[in-house]
Amino acid sequence: NAGVTQTPKFRVLKTGQSMTLLCAQDMNHEYMYWYRQDPGMGLRLIHYSVGEGTTAKGEVPDGYNVSRLKKQNFLLGLESAAPSQTSVYFCASRTWGGQPQHFGDGTRLSIL
Amino acid sequence: QQPVQSPQAVILREGEDAVINCSSSKALYSVHWYRQKHGEAPVFLMILLKGGEQKGHEKISASFNEKKQQSSLYLTASQLSYSGTYFCGTEDSGGYQKVTFGTGTKLQVIP
Repeated sequence: NAGVTQTPKFRVLKTGQSMTLLCAQDMNHEYMYWYRQDPGMGLRLIHYSVGEGTTAKGEVPDGYNVSRLKKQNFLLGLESAAPSQTSVYFCASRTWGGQPQHFGDGTRLSIL
Repeated sequence: QQPVQSPQAVILREGEDAVINCSSSKALYSVHWYRQKHGEAPVFLMILLKGGEQKGHEKISASFNEKKQQSSLYLTASQLSYSGTYFCGTEDSGGYQKVTFGTGTKLQVIP
C-alpha cells in the first residue's frame, strides 16, 4: 500500500520558474488537500478538492493553482516561483468530512 | 482562522504528564489531533466528533467541549517517543470539507 505519494521529494528553483507538484493516492479518497508548512506557522491550507473535477481555495491560495482531473491525483502548480514560496509542501487525502487525513511525506521546495 | 494552541512548547521528564489545549473562535464539527516528528509527515492520533467526547490512544487521550469550542490532549506518563510537535485541526460546523490546523505545540521528553 503506497498511500499518499508526493513527487518530487526535493526541488530547487530559480525565481520566476514554474513547476508542478504531484500528489497521488491509491485509497480511493474523495477529498484531497495541499498544505504548506513554514517554521512557527503550522500547516496552512493552500487549496483543496472534494471530488474529481472540483477545487476550492484555502487560507493561502495566492501564487498557486491546482487541478484534479483524475480522482487519484491532485496537482499543485507554481506559475512564477517566488522566494516566499520556499517551504515544505504536504499533500493529504481522506474519504470525506469527519474522517482522518493521510499525509504524504512532503516536498521540500527552495526558491532562490 | 487558525485555532489557537497552548502552550507553544513544553519540556517534560519521562513519566510526567502534560496537557495541550486547542481553542477556536468558530462552532466546531470535529477536532483532529496529529503528531509530527522532525523531518517527517504528520501522523494521525485521534478525532473527536461529538461534544464532550473523550477518546484514548495508548496513554494519550483527548476531550472535546463543543460549547466552549475547545479540545485538550492529555499525555500521561510520558515516554521519550512522545517527543514531537502536536497539531490540532478543526472542522467548522458550517463546512466540514476542510481542516484548519493550529500552529503546533512542541513537546520534548527528556530522560
